[in-house]
Amino acid sequence: DGGITQSPKYLFRKEGQNVTLSCEQNLNHDAMYWYRQDPGQGLRLIYYSQIVNDFQKGDIAEGYSVSREKKESFPLTVTSAQKNPTAFYLCATQSGGPGTGELFFGEGSRLTVL
Amino acid sequence: SQQGEEDPQALSIQEGENATMNCSYKTSINNLQWYRQNSGRGLVHLILIRSNEREKHSGRLRVTLDTSKKSSSLLITASRAADTASYFCATDARGNTGKLIFGQGTTLQVKP
Repeated sequence: DGGITQSPKYLFRKEGQNVTLSCEQNLNHDAMYWYRQDPGQGLRLIYYSQIVNDFQKGDIAEGYSVSREKKESFPLTVTSAQKNPTAFYLCATQSGGPGTGELFFGEGSRLTVL
Repeated sequence: SQQGEEDPQALSIQEGENATMNCSYKTSINNLQWYRQNSGRGLVHLILIRSNEREKHSGRLRVTLDTSKKSSSLLITASRAADTASYFCATDARGNTGKLIFGQGTTLQVKP
């Protein structure tokens, strides 16, 4: 099936641990995004990448890191520097260039810090 | 920075009624998009309206855009219980390199 796969769906972390959320796509889209969603809130942009080996900080990048070594993959690491990491994380891709198209979303990863 | 703001925050209607949600934004845009999110799921794209368009339809959905007022509305006609979800507007601001900025959403409950 074509689409975006996020894993794991649920993740529990102890304070002080880094965790990595996976996002894989087979839509052949150039642009990939990571958003964070808190309960009852909209989405806030963490990082985005419009091409392999390049990525840009979004509005709330502090405490997060990403890599884009392959077109298909855009993993997000939540580091111990992120003070309030409990949230729902959404990965998305976009066809076409900036300003041209809709976003396609994965099903999300819910991170809980114990 | 929050570009789009939806109104109302929550809406509860009976099946068969129409639902209208509004979105206001602050800067010039290339396009405005509406998304739907079922509880605990990813977002699904509903419709995209470009800055030079004033109205767009897709099935039971009707979107309007008023760039002079920097606002958009989403109308769902003849609502169904399955329309229960959160609805978000997202703006692609000019000069913003294609990043979409999402509002906080409207939670719609359609009672059977």
